[in-house]
Amino acid sequence: SQQGEEDPQALSIQEGENATMNCSYKTSINNLQWYRQNSGRGLVHLILIRSNEREKHSGRLRVTLDTSKKSSSLLITASRAADTASYFCATDGTSGSRLTFGEGTQLTVNP
Amino acid sequence: DTGVSQDPRHKITKRGQNVTFRCDPISEHNRLYWYRQTLGQGPEFLTYFQNEAQLEKSRLLSDRFSAERPKGSFSTLEIQRTEQGDSAMYLCASSFTGTAGGGYTFGSGTRLTVV
Repeated sequence: SQQGEEDPQALSIQEGENATMNCSYKTSINNLQWYRQNSGRGLVHLILIRSNEREKHSGRLRVTLDTSKKSSSLLITASRAADTASYFCATDGTSGSRLTFGEGTQLTVNP
Repeated sequence: DTGVSQDPRHKITKRGQNVTFRCDPISEHNRLYWYRQTLGQGPEFLTYFQNEAQLEKSRLLSDRFSAERPKGSFSTLEIQRTEQGDSAMYLCASSFTGTAGGGYTFGSGTRLTVV
């Protein structure tokens, strides 16, 4: 079964707007990662946030982590049409063996 | 070596046939993972290797599935007696343990269609 659940399942916005995606998980984690997947392609690692961190930035990406609520959010600012993709959160459990992925948010950025 | 390579990109096979996929990870990476992804879903873990040792297998990996990583380099995933339910994208990823702030590097996947 999937560890993470993304919300919303689908999001459609206009270019220039911000996009926020949420992820909830069930068990204790070492870290949480976000990945992007363009249609029919492999996943691309975007950002990793450790369990002792609360917020992290990378370019137009901002990730928050609330371990008390077992949730994370990914904010993409000033979105572009090229940001259209599926976004997945993935958790690395305390055993540190492998990632467990959520079901993803399909983001569409309209030009 | 700039990424994870998977071969073939697409495979169409008849039900009951055997298929084998290959993954070449980033050479410096000691961990290699296989995931399966169906349309509209997130990747589901199948198995992973650290060097040549297969350390974990998912319950999804039935006895028709076998994976190897001889010499801790490339890996193969074989599916015997394929079924229509095996149709999916098979993703390979690699990583290096001990890398601070690192994630997985995924290949482009092998899309399997069982007819």
